[in-house]
Amino acid sequence: QLVLTQLPSASASLGASVNLTCSLSSGHRIYDIVWHQQQPEKGPRYLMRVNHDGSFSKGDGIPDRFSGSSSGTERSLTISSVQSEDEADYYCQTWGTDIQLFGGGTKLTVL
Amino acid sequence: QEQLAESGGGLVKPGGSLRLSCSASGFIFSDSYMSWIRQAPGMGLEWISYINRDGSTVSYADSVKGRFAISRDDAEKSLYLQMNSLRAEDTAVYFCARVMGGCIVSWGQGTLVTVSS
Repeated sequence: QLVLTQLPSASASLGASVNLTCSLSSGHRIYDIVWHQQQPEKGPRYLMRVNHDGSFSKGDGIPDRFSGSSSGTERSLTISSVQSEDEADYYCQTWGTDIQLFGGGTKLTVL
Repeated sequence: QEQLAESGGGLVKPGGSLRLSCSASGFIFSDSYMSWIRQAPGMGLEWISYINRDGSTVSYADSVKGRFAISRDDAEKSLYLQMNSLRAEDTAVYFCARVMGGCIVSWGQGTLVTVSS
């Protein structure tokens, strides 16, 4: 069964780097995923697609400090030089035939 | 610029019905696959329904199957969600989203549905 697993929380100091991970269930290592950001009291926003080969493609206007990577069944979102506006919930998302699936989300706190 | 705008949310009693609408602009709606996603208060995102670009294929999460129906009107550039037999656990913000190759690539701002007596 296809499942996405995220840690519920993470924190980073202002200006530091942080890595958020999304784990695909066993047997699903070739799945690509998407990262979405949801700032407080706002709707989600598409950040980027991370492919199983480690390549990634960002949405329009997404700052350079956001990047993606992949290793095995793990897909990562790295934010370098974290800013206060990066404090948000981050969701990974993948898909099967005619369905979409979300991870539980990671709440990032900027210290 | 792509824009999606949901409407139709509100307060409804358990067992009642509601129809949500999503108005699209800034992209070719008739070529687009679309989904509805919801978010209960304080909770994460839950995909609930999907429709392909000509409406010939629809799918639903088990939590809403048999109660909700997705549809589209390409002339109106609109997506709909008919919600019947509503339950307290359907209380959530409902988002429409554009889907490309399985990826959700744009989102609306959401409309709140509250099911309560």
